[in-house]
Amino acid sequence: EVPLVESGGGLVQPGGSLRLSCAASGFTFSLYAMNWVRQAPGKGLEWVSGISETGDDTNYADSVQGRFTISRDNSKNTLYLQMNSLRADDTAVYYCAKGIYHSDYWGQGTLVTVSS
Amino acid sequence: EIVLTQSPGTLSLSPGERATLSCRASQSISNNYLAWYQQKPGQAPRLLIYGASSRATGIPDRFSGSGSGTDFTLTISSLEPEDFAVYYCQHYGNSRRWTFGQGTKVEIK
Repeated sequence: EVPLVESGGGLVQPGGSLRLSCAASGFTFSLYAMNWVRQAPGKGLEWVSGISETGDDTNYADSVQGRFTISRDNSKNTLYLQMNSLRADDTAVYYCAKGIYHSDYWGQGTLVTVSS
Repeated sequence: EIVLTQSPGTLSLSPGERATLSCRASQSISNNYLAWYQQKPGQAPRLLIYGASSRATGIPDRFSGSGSGTDFTLTISSLEPEDFAVYYCQHYGNSRRWTFGQGTKVEIK
C-alpha cells in the first residue's frame, strides 16, 4: 500500500489555476504535519509549503507566497495545494511529504506543466 | 535564511569505494534538524539519515551521517551499484520551512 498518492497535475496556461491533492493512507494522517516539495525538470528539490497537523498553521516559500494555498481535510485524509496565477517557472513535479522536521514518506509526485 | 551548500557537485567513484559528501550551512544549525535523502531518476526522494546521524528505517549501515554546527557529512562506506544516485541534505528551520542543498550526484567512474 502506497502511503501518499498525489493527483491533479497537468498542463495549464500561464496565469491559470490548478488544485493538487494528496491522499494519505496507512498512517494516522491527522497526527502529522505535511508539506509540498517540488522539483523542476533536471533541477533540485524546493520546499513549497507546509501545514500543521490541525491545519491552523501554514507556511510558504517566498516564490509562491500569495499565489498558492495549502490546506487539509483530516476527515478525508487528504492534503491540498491550490495554485493560482501559475507561471512557467512553476513547472515541476510536485511531491507531498509527511512530517515536520524531515520526511520518511513521500508520494510519487504529480507533474505540473505551465505553458501556452 | 539558512543556505545549505553541498560539495562536490559530482563524485565519480567505483563500486566498493568510499563516498564522502559534504553539506555546509551558512550558519550554525541544530543537529536535530539536518537530514539526508537519496534520489534516483524518476523516483521520489528516500530518507537516509535524520537528526544528522540517525539512520532511517531499513537503511543499510554502510550509510552514516556525522557533523555539527555548520559542517555535516554523509559517508557511504563501500558503494554498492544501487547507491549511484543524487543525494540532498535538508534542514528544518524557522516557521516550519525546509531548505535543501543543491545536491551531489554520485556517478560510476
